[in-house]
Amino acid sequence: DAKTTQPPSMDCAEGRAANLPCNHSTISGNEYVYWYRQIHSQGPQYIIHGLKNNETNEMASLIITEDRKSSTLILPHATLRDTAVYYCIVRVYNQGGKLIFGQGTELSVKP
Amino acid sequence: GAVVSQHPSRVICKSGTSVKIECRSLDFQATTMFWYRQFPKQSLMLMATSNEGSKATYEQGVEKDKFLINHASLTLSTLTVTSAHPEDSSFYICSATRTDTYSNQPQHFGDGTRLSIL
Repeated sequence: DAKTTQPPSMDCAEGRAANLPCNHSTISGNEYVYWYRQIHSQGPQYIIHGLKNNETNEMASLIITEDRKSSTLILPHATLRDTAVYYCIVRVYNQGGKLIFGQGTELSVKP
Repeated sequence: GAVVSQHPSRVICKSGTSVKIECRSLDFQATTMFWYRQFPKQSLMLMATSNEGSKATYEQGVEKDKFLINHASLTLSTLTVTSAHPEDSSFYICSATRTDTYSNQPQHFGDGTRLSIL
């Protein structure tokens, strides 16, 4: 699976949009981009995924660049409960479904 | 929907004990489940892929005789840590995918089991 690169930490003010970047420059055509987050001492929570089109759901928006080498997860109105480690993962859909986690971005939402 | 339940949430036991952790998909069938381990301040590390009705596939460096995986039904996988020692103390997390593995469906994770070996 392609490797991803994320900043180790970010801060965001409560109520503002949180934009979390991810580089996946070696992504191949059949690899999806997945975002998960992990709140302290819990299992990871699925947020959103996409292949090449931008995606939006009730939690977040995913913006994938045209060349697919990078993406941005957007939390439109961050709250204190969004403080977590956010993982960007690329996964080939037909390789057994494995997810290989990198180090992620630790997002701190501050009042 | 897509709820994965893990039990127990926490276990403390003596060195040499074997510990079984259960992972259940509550509202869907999962032919494949995954087991991860996470040490403090580190990311999740995939240990093995659990396949219903067949042997598990272990990642490189994971001892299959130490970490026994059984996936006897489409809703239950178990991980048994045999003869556990203090270095096996960790946060163990399972996940499952709603449909078969040849799909882009996301994995859903349990809340983890914190294992402490004294």
